[in-house]
Amino acid sequence: GENVEQHPSTLSVQEGDSAVIKCTYSDSASNYFPWYKQELGKRPQLIIDIRSNVGEKKDQRIAVTLNKTAKHFSLHITETQPEDSAVYFCAATGSYIPTFGRGTSLIVHP
Amino acid sequence: NAGVMQNPRHLVRRRGQEARLRCSPMKGHSHVYWYRQLPEEGLKFMVYLQKENIIDESGMPKERFSAEFPKEGPSILRIQQVVRGDSAAYFCASSPPGGEVTGELFFGEGSRLTVL
Repeated sequence: GENVEQHPSTLSVQEGDSAVIKCTYSDSASNYFPWYKQELGKRPQLIIDIRSNVGEKKDQRIAVTLNKTAKHFSLHITETQPEDSAVYFCAATGSYIPTFGRGTSLIVHP
Repeated sequence: NAGVMQNPRHLVRRRGQEARLRCSPMKGHSHVYWYRQLPEEGLKFMVYLQKENIIDESGMPKERFSAEFPKEGPSILRIQQVVRGDSAAYFCASSPPGGEVTGELFFGEGSRLTVL
């Protein structure tokens, strides 16, 4: 089955800095890669996603890149704000079951 | 359009009791996933169901755990004879009809099970 590794597990930045979270996956058949944000005690919510026919996607301060050859994808958050503090999960989806990474706890200090 | 509804939000059980967690998917969604989340860990897949059909239960323990999604009513995750290690947050997610997941999963707020 699919295996997703996510790093780092914790990321602490100053407000205004950039944050980068990286994931690798094992199943070359995976073709959909969403990123979810989970605030404390809340549900995970999709923030951005990318499909295997695209190398990069951007939405305001958030961007995701995908390298299919190397089987890794990354989340980039620029100009971080305190409200970006949350746990971020990557996922890889091949045969209808999204497999999630262990999550990255992002802390943005004012 | 109401989102994915889970209940109860919090459930406390003593060892050996049964826990029943319910999930109503978003209107128009016919696929339901159950995930378990332990502290400091990610979302672990348990089971994927469509109406009246279990598609994949490869992530669910063979004993004590069962899931269903009847023709009418919510999906239910049932844990019999709970043990302390079952304490976790259980998230349900739904997606629109389709043979494969091609888009977003919509998560409920989760049910937090505590086993005393």
